[in-house]
Amino acid sequence: DAGVIQSPRHEVTEMGQEVTLRCKPISGHDYLFWYRQTMMRGLELLIYFNNNVPIDDSGMPEDRFSAKMPNASFSTLKIQPSEPRDSAVYFCASSLGPTARGYTFGSGTRLTVV
Amino acid sequence: SQQGEEDPQALSIQEGENATMNCSYKTSINNLQWYRQNSGRGLVHLILIRSNEREKHSGRLRVTLDTSKKSSSLLITASRAADTASYFCATDRLEMDSSYKLIFGSGTRLLVRP
Repeated sequence: DAGVIQSPRHEVTEMGQEVTLRCKPISGHDYLFWYRQTMMRGLELLIYFNNNVPIDDSGMPEDRFSAKMPNASFSTLKIQPSEPRDSAVYFCASSLGPTARGYTFGSGTRLTVV
Repeated sequence: SQQGEEDPQALSIQEGENATMNCSYKTSINNLQWYRQNSGRGLVHLILIRSNEREKHSGRLRVTLDTSKKSSSLLITASRAADTASYFCATDRLEMDSSYKLIFGSGTRLLVRP
């Protein structure tokens, strides 16, 4: 298994532009999570899905952020419009059940908004 | 919000020594997990300990859990330079709305000197 695949690895964009981050979870995993990591705030859970359905989006910072999971093998996190304070590393993780085992993380997308 | 807080924030030891990291949390949990993150990479799951377990081993790793004190410790024995990384505890708790959340602490940066 190739693990959780995120793209792009790095993204540099100008303030105001739309940014779309992508994630392919491990096949068979029914939970998908989006986290954001910054030096100031550490790892924050943004949203998670169970069987493609958003369960908890209370961590999504603002309406500028949206996430979708159109099928079991693909999810997107979109920021529109982007702002410099959105600069962070965004991780996607998947798991088989919420508590059965640990989560498998992707390598992350480093987003820089200038 | 961060649930777990690691102590110390940074730890520097000589290769061959043992490294101990502590984690404290605030609310009741379903399980507690430890992850490692190498610089610029995603998180890697190390070990999971359930709330009804007190100790668990995996290779050179030993994890303890004291639910009465809401604390856990991670011991790495006979450390190696390759163990240099940040280590995070994460608590998996059941929310009021029956959803689950894995909340990460702030991490301990471990440096193992050759």
